[in-house]
Amino acid sequence: NFMLTQPHSVSESPGKTVAISCTRSSGSIASNYVHWFQQRPGSSPTIVIFEDKQRPSGVPDRFSGSIDSSSNSASLSISGLKTEDEADYYCQSYDGSTLNWVFGGGTKLTVL
Amino acid sequence: QLQLQESGPGLVKPSETLSLTCTVSGDSINSDHYFWAWIRQPPGRGLEWIGSMYDSGTTYYSPSLKSRVSISVDTSKNQFSLNLSSVTVADTAVYFCARDVTRGGAFDVWGPGTMVSVSS
Repeated sequence: NFMLTQPHSVSESPGKTVAISCTRSSGSIASNYVHWFQQRPGSSPTIVIFEDKQRPSGVPDRFSGSIDSSSNSASLSISGLKTEDEADYYCQSYDGSTLNWVFGGGTKLTVL
Repeated sequence: QLQLQESGPGLVKPSETLSLTCTVSGDSINSDHYFWAWIRQPPGRGLEWIGSMYDSGTTYYSPSLKSRVSISVDTSKNQFSLNLSSVTVADTAVYFCARDVTRGGAFDVWGPGTMVSVSS
């Protein structure tokens, strides 16, 4: 089993860039794809990055994903922050040892 | 345009079985061998994957819920369903159904979610 650990909250100013980390507790972050979801208050989640760094159609190129084997973590970066980016963000990956899709605990992004 | 809609009771008594249905519109539930999933979110907390189904019957379940969960499909109604038995207050959550387009956890279409409370 592994866990995905995210910071509880991050904040940044409009127009700036923010990075949200997702650290895998055991096993290699590169072993399985990481996906990222955005959830605005009162709404269903929407996918913003899939398979580590792929952006679904309709998601602005201000959103990008990466993985870093040295820190065993994935990262979601949002540039040119807008107030509409204020939301909870969740990372997710697959645990092949337990046949389980694992979510991180979520990060609340505040744009102020 | 693919749309998903959850339906079912909003209140379930402890020890009973929670039953929800997800109706798929805009595409056939059989098409393109997608996975179809149930995910839940307790109030004020994060997301938890419950289970996934593909190819009209093959299922994967969360290890923590496996003994109480079953997912089934009704292709004639373009629906798939969730049963969660022996519920407790800890099962109170918003329940979402979703499509997994890559069959690897990339849930690209979600229903609006339905709140289920477990209470006597």
